[in-house]
Amino acid sequence: GEDVEQSLFLSVREGDSSVINCTYTDSSSTYLYWYKQEPGAGLQLLTYIFSNMDMKQDQRLTVLLNKKDKHLSLRIADTQTGDSAIYFCAESPGRQLTFGSGTQLTVLP
Amino acid sequence: DTEVTQTPKHLVMGMTNKKSLKCEQHMGHRAMYWYKQKAKKPPELMFVYSYEKLSINESVPSRFSPECPNSSLLNLHLHALQPEDSALYLCASSPLRDGTNEKLFFGSGTQLSVL
Repeated sequence: GEDVEQSLFLSVREGDSSVINCTYTDSSSTYLYWYKQEPGAGLQLLTYIFSNMDMKQDQRLTVLLNKKDKHLSLRIADTQTGDSAIYFCAESPGRQLTFGSGTQLTVLP
Repeated sequence: DTEVTQTPKHLVMGMTNKKSLKCEQHMGHRAMYWYKQKAKKPPELMFVYSYEKLSINESVPSRFSPECPNSSLLNLHLHALQPEDSALYLCASSPLRDGTNEKLFFGSGTQLSVL
């Protein structure tokens, strides 16, 4: 995970927007991914973006990609308590995923 | 069926034991993966099977032995493990149909404790 960086913690109030940031290194990644991991569970694919796109919206989720700065972000609108989890971004040089260190999102009532 | 099923969910074993972790998927995926995840850390790739053949072994010690009996099943055989091998072991599968878009589907993992 040392090639893909994320801040470790984020706390938001219920109903606010959350923005989770990620910096990656491999510009050859064709796709970039966001995974969610709840306690005691595996990773769930949330969304992904093709490297030729700047933005992708999927219901409450918005992914922004700045390819020049190798910066990826995930915005969760109207954050709910069920969104509390660890969020991993991942790049895909070749066929393998390289995960970031993960951001622990805590949603406060 | 869109699930990856792993058994057992929890496993406690001694350093002299032999045990196996099992993984099953019925999505027709042709790539299957084993990952190791320590608490609060990202998953680390261990093995990849493509079309039932081992294609990647990330320098994993020989006390971990993977097996892919068919396209739906993946096993991880464990022998003479060390306490530092205690971790969450995750299985994943992917379609291998979409070029470089490797969408991985994960099981919920086996929490392994080595005493």
